[in-house]
Amino acid sequence: EVQLLESGGDLIQPGGSLRLSCAGSGFSFSDYAMTWFRQAPGKGLEWVSTISHSGMKTYYADSVKGRFIVSRDDSKNTLYLEMNSLGAGDTAMYYCAKDGCYATSCVTPRLDYWGQGTLVTVSS
Amino acid sequence: EIVLTQSPATLSLSPGERATLSCRASESVSGFLAWCQQKPGQAPRVVIFDASHRATGIPDRFSGSGSGTDFTLTISSLEPEDFAVYYCLQRGSWPLTFGGGTKVEIK
Repeated sequence: EVQLLESGGDLIQPGGSLRLSCAGSGFSFSDYAMTWFRQAPGKGLEWVSTISHSGMKTYYADSVKGRFIVSRDDSKNTLYLEMNSLGAGDTAMYYCAKDGCYATSCVTPRLDYWGQGTLVTVSS
Repeated sequence: EIVLTQSPATLSLSPGERATLSCRASESVSGFLAWCQQKPGQAPRVVIFDASHRATGIPDRFSGSGSGTDFTLTISSLEPEDFAVYYCLQRGSWPLTFGGGTKVEIK
């Protein structure tokens, strides 16, 4: 059974930094691209970042480019999101999701499984 | 970026009725559109991927159709567990984008 478990969410002051983690199990982690999404309270869904299965390609939403860094450690089956210069607009539930396409078989991720999310609150 | 417009914003129906949800893209996404269901307090889950393919474990009362810029999610006969918010998501090009959602509520 595929499982994705996010962690690292916290209450953080504006301008601060935070690292989120997403531990995957039940699949061959290194064979799939992984993606972060977020959802502000009471709002819709927003794509944040994607990393290819190899880790060689990364993609970012304009709203986070230059502030967030996505990475992965396949030896730990874990995806990360390093978030810097956080502002109130970054307050959201952050979800990781697995690509349904194997390795490079899709140009963009065809998502199949989502984690339950971790909450980031940016406030003084 | 590709803008997805969902309609209606809210759909008020009774169990057993048919639900038809629409998603229109500002430019073609080919067949690369998914529908995600989200219940209150829960993570989203994919119900349809690539326009018309049901995700694992999704009952056959859910069906998707369309290509290019116009897509439809149909729930043939609503069950109590189907009342939720539905988002469309395109992966036709970067950045990935979502529609604003359609809330299917009990009438």
